[in-house]
Amino acid sequence: GENVEQHPSTLSVQEGDSAVIKCTYSDSASNYFPWYKQELGKRPQLIIDIRSNVGEKKDQRIAVTLNKTAKHFSLHITETQPEDSAVYFCAASYSGYSTLTFGKGTMLLVSP
Amino acid sequence: KAGVTQTPRYLIKTRGQQVTLSCSPISGHRSVSWYQQTPGQGLQFLFEYFSETQRNKGNFPGRFSGRQFSNSRSEMNVSTLELGDSALYLCASRSEGGYTFGSGTRLTVV
Repeated sequence: GENVEQHPSTLSVQEGDSAVIKCTYSDSASNYFPWYKQELGKRPQLIIDIRSNVGEKKDQRIAVTLNKTAKHFSLHITETQPEDSAVYFCAASYSGYSTLTFGKGTMLLVSP
Repeated sequence: KAGVTQTPRYLIKTRGQQVTLSCSPISGHRSVSWYQQTPGQGLQFLFEYFSETQRNKGNFPGRFSGRQFSNSRSEMNVSTLELGDSALYLCASRSEGGYTFGSGTRLTVV
């Protein structure tokens, strides 16, 4: 089955810096890659996703890039703010309708 | 529209007991997936139901089971509880826009 590795497990940045979280996946058939943000005590929420027919997608301060050949994808957050502090999970699946396999998460801490 | 509703929010059980958790997906969604979340292990897939049929199952012992009703509401059951079953259990309702998670049930086994 699919296996998703996520790094780093913890990331500390200063407000205004950029943050990058990287994930690799094992199943070359996977073609849907969402990212979820989970604030303390709250549910995971979808923040951005990408499908394998594109290499990059942006939404304001966040962007995701995908390298299908290398089987890795990354989340980029620019101009970080304290409210970006949360645990971020990457995931992969064969399609938007099949089971999602999650990475173990990255705790992002943004200091003012 | 209403989101994903999980009940109860918190639960404390004793080792050896059994527990049933409930999840109501977003209206019109027929797919429900269950995940176990523990510190350091992330979200581990338990099972997925679609139109009352289990479509996929994760690598959990047979003590973990589930079902889905005709109104798409789903329940998961854990029998003979162990201390290691303490976790946040999340269910997710699926659409073409991806997963929408419920707030989860925090299960503590003592």
